[in-house]
Amino acid sequence: EVQLVESGGGLVQPGGSLRLSCAASGFTFNNYWMHWVRQAPGKGLVWVSRINMDGTTTTYADSVKGRITVSRDNAKNTLYLQMNSLRAEDTAMYYCVRGFSYSPRDSWGQGTLVTVSS
Amino acid sequence: QSVLTQPPSVSAAPGQKVTISCSGSSSNIASNYVSWYQQFPGTAPRLLIYDSNNRPSGIPDRFSGSKSGTSATLGITGLQTGDEADYYCGTWDSSLGVVIFGGGTKLTVL
Repeated sequence: EVQLVESGGGLVQPGGSLRLSCAASGFTFNNYWMHWVRQAPGKGLVWVSRINMDGTTTTYADSVKGRITVSRDNAKNTLYLQMNSLRAEDTAMYYCVRGFSYSPRDSWGQGTLVTVSS
Repeated sequence: QSVLTQPPSVSAAPGQKVTISCSGSSSNIASNYVSWYQQFPGTAPRLLIYDSNNRPSGIPDRFSGSKSGTSATLGITGLQTGDEADYYCGTWDSSLGVVIFGGGTKLTVL
């Protein structure tokens, strides 16, 4: 069974940092692009970032560029999202998603909640 | 404001058919595949349609996707109360070089 389990969310002050993790199992992790998608409370889905199979290609939404870094450790089947200089508008549920280069696809984690507040 | 435009809400009676539209442009829908996702309150989204008109295994054939020009459509037939959810379209935007989503449509089954 394909599973994606996010962790690392929590309450952080504006300007602070968090590192989200997504542990993957049940599939060959290094065969897939991985995406991060976020959803602010009561709002719609917003794509955040993607990374290719070997971690050499990354792409970011303009709203997070320069503050967020996506990475992966294929030996550990784990995806990461390093979030720096956090702002109130980064408050959201963050989902990791298995996918293709052009699309988050069929497997979503349960999400991890990030709250940026003083 | 989303690059892809969806109606905020649609409604129909049980057993009826409903369509949800997703309007984009030449740099996104017209030139790339479209996905559709279903999300129930408090849960993660689920893929309903991929590559514009394909259903993943386990998705009933009551759900269908189509695309024409700069618009895509999700169709749901034989509506059930259990279909009440939020629905999102998504695609790649070749000009922006990012994945984009529509603002979402809330389906109410009356």
